[in-house]
Amino acid sequence: EAQVTQNPRYLITVTGKKLTVTCSQNMNHEYMSWYRQDPGLGLRQIYYSMNVEVTDKGDVPEGYKVSRKEKRNFPLILESPSPNQTSLYFCASSLALGSSYNSPLHFGNGTRLTVT
Amino acid sequence: QQQVKQSPQSLIVQKGGISIINCAYENTAFDYFPWYQQFPGKGPALLIAIRPDVSEKKEGRFTISFNKSAKQFSLHIMDSQPGDSATYFCAGESGKLIFGQGTELSVKP
Repeated sequence: EAQVTQNPRYLITVTGKKLTVTCSQNMNHEYMSWYRQDPGLGLRQIYYSMNVEVTDKGDVPEGYKVSRKEKRNFPLILESPSPNQTSLYFCASSLALGSSYNSPLHFGNGTRLTVT
Repeated sequence: QQQVKQSPQSLIVQKGGISIINCAYENTAFDYFPWYQQFPGKGPALLIAIRPDVSEKKEGRFTISFNKSAKQFSLHIMDSQPGDSATYFCAGESGKLIFGQGTELSVKP
């Protein structure tokens, strides 16, 4: 089954404790992206990657890091989490950059992060 | 910079009624306007999309109406069902996808 898999689904941590949220896709997609979803703000892009070893900042990259060492994996790293990073996070992938008419974004089921 | 404004933030509709969600955009370079549907505990999934060279796109009970001159587009859900209860996101794309704020739709039996 074609899918984007995120882990963990739920995560509670404390301020300053480094964490990694994993994302893997099995569709051989070149483009991958991370979003955060907050009430009233919609989905905002954190980072994206057009291919292996190619990453770039989205609209809200502060406090986050990513890496793309393999085509299928795109982990999100919070080096020193803070309470304002409490949010619902989604990983997504598509064949090409963005979400063209023939290549919609496929989203994972989300990771709910709470930073106390 | 918020380039896609979506309203209302929440919507309650009776079963069988019409649900209408509106979006307005600023970036005239957008060339693709998708709507994503998100059920609780799930990620968003593409529902229906339109390109700016047409004024309407219909798929089953879901219709996008597009007004290029007004830079507005809307999603109409006819004969709304409880199973349509979800959060809906509009978006515009010009190489990059920009989402609206989302609308939480609840369809009451």
